[in-house]
Amino acid sequence: ETGVTQTPRHLVMGMTNKKSLKCEQHLGHNAMYWYKQSAKKPLELMFVYSLEERVENNSVPSRFSPECPNSSHLFLHLHTLQPEDSALYLCASSQGGPGNTIYFGEGSWLTVV
Amino acid sequence: AQSVTQLDSQVPVFEEAPVELRCNYSSSVSVYLFWYVQYPNQGLQLLLKYLSGSTLVKGINGFEAEFNKSQTSFHLRKPSVHISDTAEYFCAVSDVAGTALIFGKGTTLSVSS
Repeated sequence: ETGVTQTPRHLVMGMTNKKSLKCEQHLGHNAMYWYKQSAKKPLELMFVYSLEERVENNSVPSRFSPECPNSSHLFLHLHTLQPEDSALYLCASSQGGPGNTIYFGEGSWLTVV
Repeated sequence: AQSVTQLDSQVPVFEEAPVELRCNYSSSVSVYLFWYVQYPNQGLQLLLKYLSGSTLVKGINGFEAEFNKSQTSFHLRKPSVHISDTAEYFCAVSDVAGTALIFGKGTTLSVSS
């Protein structure tokens, strides 16, 4: 499935760095999501955008800042992260509405040193 | 709020044996239920979903799941597994007005010859 593309696939950053994760969907969907996947923990929903407006923010620390400039692109800006933020960050998209399938990208592996 | 419990963190089986991966959910309202699979170094892919109607749902790769409202369960089954089914399997739930999915912790299925 190449409908949702994430870059970079791997990122190593220091705690004082600023970096961004990029996501692009080619499926014509109107909703996009960021999930965090850590070892031994459930996937955590971070942000939801519907029609380019943020509709959900699950108490995510402000060092994570999302941006959705249009319905096809989603960014996650990273600033002064902590080592515990090291994880796989998954972007996803769907045609907004309950019961619709959410399509995932392959993820961006983030390591904070 | 909804929640999902996957009762087994790891399930080892031999090739061509049947397998059942267990999932229980908690919700005070009607729900939609999903199973996703994650192969190594990949994103999540939808196996099947239950929205309404027949409680037995068939998905890709020979998998099926049965929705049991009284038991609040949605167990995933396959009558004969292959080596290639080795992966992480996630059960997920959303309510009928939900904007995103809530995932369980995942079950690692390991198929050996």
